[in-house]
Amino acid sequence: NAGVTQTPKFQVLKTGQSMTLQCAQDMNHEYMSWYRQDPGMGLRLIHYSVGAGITDQGEVPNGYNVSRSTTEDFPLRLLSAAPSQTSVYFCASSYVGGLNTEAFFGQGTRLTVV
Amino acid sequence: AQTVTQSQPEMSVQEAETVTLSCTYDTSESDYYLFWYKQPPSRQMILVIRQEAYKQQNATENRFSVNFQKAAKSFSLKISDSQLGDAAMYFCAYRSLYSGNTPLVFGKGTRLSVIA
Repeated sequence: NAGVTQTPKFQVLKTGQSMTLQCAQDMNHEYMSWYRQDPGMGLRLIHYSVGAGITDQGEVPNGYNVSRSTTEDFPLRLLSAAPSQTSVYFCASSYVGGLNTEAFFGQGTRLTVV
Repeated sequence: AQTVTQSQPEMSVQEAETVTLSCTYDTSESDYYLFWYKQPPSRQMILVIRQEAYKQQNATENRFSVNFQKAAKSFSLKISDSQLGDAAMYFCAYRSLYSGNTPLVFGKGTRLSVIA
């Protein structure tokens, strides 16, 4: 049981380049989300999804795009990378509501934009 | 919107001693979950302990326990018999119980150092 798999673990981009961070989970979780972690800022929500075909913005969505075509996958796209997007990115998944709302996290992606 | 505040950016504790990390939150809801996550240098987010707001009894997991004060909206984490492996960032987080589209809301974290 792999849990939440994020790729890549590290990435360096040039300003203006685009890329996709991949996230896949095998726990049949409805809820998936993307966070960015910056020093002193905790984890801030970028985008989230409560099921296939449904996505919504979080606290810091600008410069990022998401889609959810399957329950398993929730990729995060950087359309035109900027140095301000240098961060560690986490994907998380969980069931929606109810008695079991524990979130499971991927191992994170350290992204540097130069 | 819910907010979570961790007022201690850094804490330190001697090995084998006890330390308490503070967390307060703001919400108008009556039913919710509270969590403490540990993030060691490996970067992995690890669930330490969970508390359901409708339960009066404080949650415990081995050396980890919480002091949940619902009226005061306080949720502190106590680590007993601290070990070197406890050194990490600790995040307090909140999630609504019934609203399916609400995410985890995190505090800014407390970095815990354990001194041998």
